[in-house]
Parts: sequence; C-alpha cells; structure tokens
Amino acid sequence: GAGVSQSPSNKVTEKGKDVELRCDPISGHTALYWYRQSLGQGLEFLIYFQGNSAPDKSGLPSDRFSAERTGGSVSTLTIQRTQQEDSAVYLCASSFPGLGYTFGSGTRLTVV
Amino acid sequence: QKEVEQNSGPLSVPEGAIASLNCTYSDRGSQSFFWYRQYSGKSPELIMSIYSNGDKEDGRFTAQLNKASQYVSLLIRDSQPSDSATYLCAVPSSRSGGSNYKLTFGKGTLLTVNP
Repeated sequence: GAGVSQSPSNKVTEKGKDVELRCDPISGHTALYWYRQSLGQGLEFLIYFQGNSAPDKSGLPSDRFSAERTGGSVSTLTIQRTQQEDSAVYLCASSFPGLGYTFGSGTRLTVV
Repeated sequence: QKEVEQNSGPLSVPEGAIASLNCTYSDRGSQSFFWYRQYSGKSPELIMSIYSNGDKEDGRFTAQLNKASQYVSLLIRDSQPSDSATYLCAVPSSRSGGSNYKLTFGKGTLLTVNP
C-alpha cells in the first residue's frame, strides 16, 4: 500500500477486556515496529520485527501484551485484560533498509 | 544519562527567524540520526536523516551532526507558523546484523512560530 495502515483508528474498551490492534506495513518494508505514546509523553518502544528473525520484545511492558507478524506483512498487537494505564496512542511503523520509519496514523486506545 | 535527550522547550520564535533544536545521545556506536516532526494529534513524520559528520541541508532545514560530541541539531531557517509542532530526535539502538534498527526517541521539543 501507499502508506502504513492501522485499524481501528479509535478503540474504547472496558477494563479487563482484550483488544487487538492491526498494522499493515508498506509493501517491501522488512521491518515493522510498534510504539505507544501516552498523552504528553514520548514514544515508548514496544516490539520490533525484522524479516524472519526472532522479534525484539524487550519493550513490552507486561505479559498481557503480545504481537505477531504473519507472512512477513500484517502485524497484530494484542493486549489482554486491559487496564486504564494501557490507554495511549499505539503507533505502528515500517522501514526499508537504511531509511527512517514511516508511521501509521495510530490507534487511540481508551480503557474505561 | 538518558539515551536521547532534547531541550524540552517550549521554544518560541518569531516568523522568519531561525529555530535551533538540539539533541544529545549516549550510544557512541550510533551511525544514523533522524528528525521527526509531529503535529498535535498526528503521528510523527520523518523530515531529515543524517549519517555523516557535518551539515546536511534540505530546503529550509539543516541537520548538523557531531559524532565526537554526540550531538545532532536541526536548524529551521525562515520559520513559518506551519512549522509549529513537536520535533523528535531519534537514534537507533544498533543490533548486530541487518540494517533496520529500533529507534530511541527523545521526548521532543515543542516549537511555536509566532506570526
């Protein structure tokens, strides 16, 4: 596609429910990244997929968070048993070797 | 020391002035550096990348890199109100092999350009 596509753009969920966030990267980009940005805060790294290598999960804040990337393309970030502190904008980005990231428009998650 | 530090601002400049945004980083092995612009409520947008010591110019934007001092800056000449945004400095945390690295972002500097 022309850009990184994320869905949904907004998600309101009740505390304790599970949510899935989707990212469709730019075709040909081998790397895919998930970050989150809380209100007024910086970008917090979550997870990074590079080709067929094992993902770098070092930024996942707890075992309630998981992500997968199927077929080297689409990625899904899953948050189980959501908590209010999970409320943030979740940003996906992809990159081509040697170039900077292209970000999607993000998913704004609100846990009530 | 934080991995990537930026002067938090906010920075306010009059229209037509030069805005100077600064960033220091801790990883001496870093080889590439990026500046992103983020408008309020939007996602970050890549505006400059720099890989070598010295200056790199692109239109009104100039990125400056000094690896010895672990310092990278962004100058915006002839600042316009449309430049008002948060500017994020990003530096990769290198992994062995491959050329895609996860980026560590500074917290950003909020720039306001007053008409």
